Amino acid sequence: GENVEQHPSTLSVQEGDSAVIKCTYSDSASNYFPWYKQELGKRPQLIIDIRSNVGEKKDQRIAVTLNKTAKHFSLHITETQPEDSAVYFCAAFYTNAGKSTFGDGTTLTVKP
Amino acid sequence: NAGVTQTPKFQVLKTGQSMTLQCAQDMNHEYMSWYRQDPGMGLRLIHYSVGAGITDQGEVPNGYNVSRSTTEDFPLRLLSAAPSQTSVYFCASSYSLGEYEQYFGPGTRLTVT
Repeated sequence: GENVEQHPSTLSVQEGDSAVIKCTYSDSASNYFPWYKQELGKRPQLIIDIRSNVGEKKDQRIAVTLNKTAKHFSLHITETQPEDSAVYFCAAFYTNAGKSTFGDGTTLTVKP
Repeated sequence: NAGVTQTPKFQVLKTGQSMTLQCAQDMNHEYMSWYRQDPGMGLRLIHYSVGAGITDQGEVPNGYNVSRSTTEDFPLRLLSAAPSQTSVYFCASSYSLGEYEQYFGPGTRLTVT
């Protein structure tokens, strides 16, 4: 089955700095790669996603890049703010089969 | 729209007891799924459904049953609870997986003693 590895497990940055989280996947059939933000005690919420036919997507301070050949994708957050502090999860979906595999999460702390 | 709702929010079971976690959505979504989230880990797919009457197993299906008799509801049954099933359970739904956002319910925190 699919295996998703996410790094780093914890990340601490100063307010205004950039943060990068990386994920690798193993199954070349995976075709949809969302990123979720989860605050303590809350449900995961989608922040950005990318499909396998796209190499990069940007939404204001957040961007995601996908390298299908190397089977890795990354989340980039620029100009970080304290409210960006949360756990971030990457996931790889094989949508034709309804399957999804999540990474173990990255705890991002933005220091004011 | 209420979105995705789950009941109960909290539950404590004794080993061997059975129960059903309820999930409902009012967005006419075809795809629904159940995940469990253990401390310090990501979500793991238990079961999913691509439409009423159709269900399939995810990564960790053992000890759980599902059914999908209507588009709106997707209950998860624990057949004989074990301490290893202590976790937070999330239900999620999407109009079309990969084409539209997957929305999560608020979660059910289950403890099995």
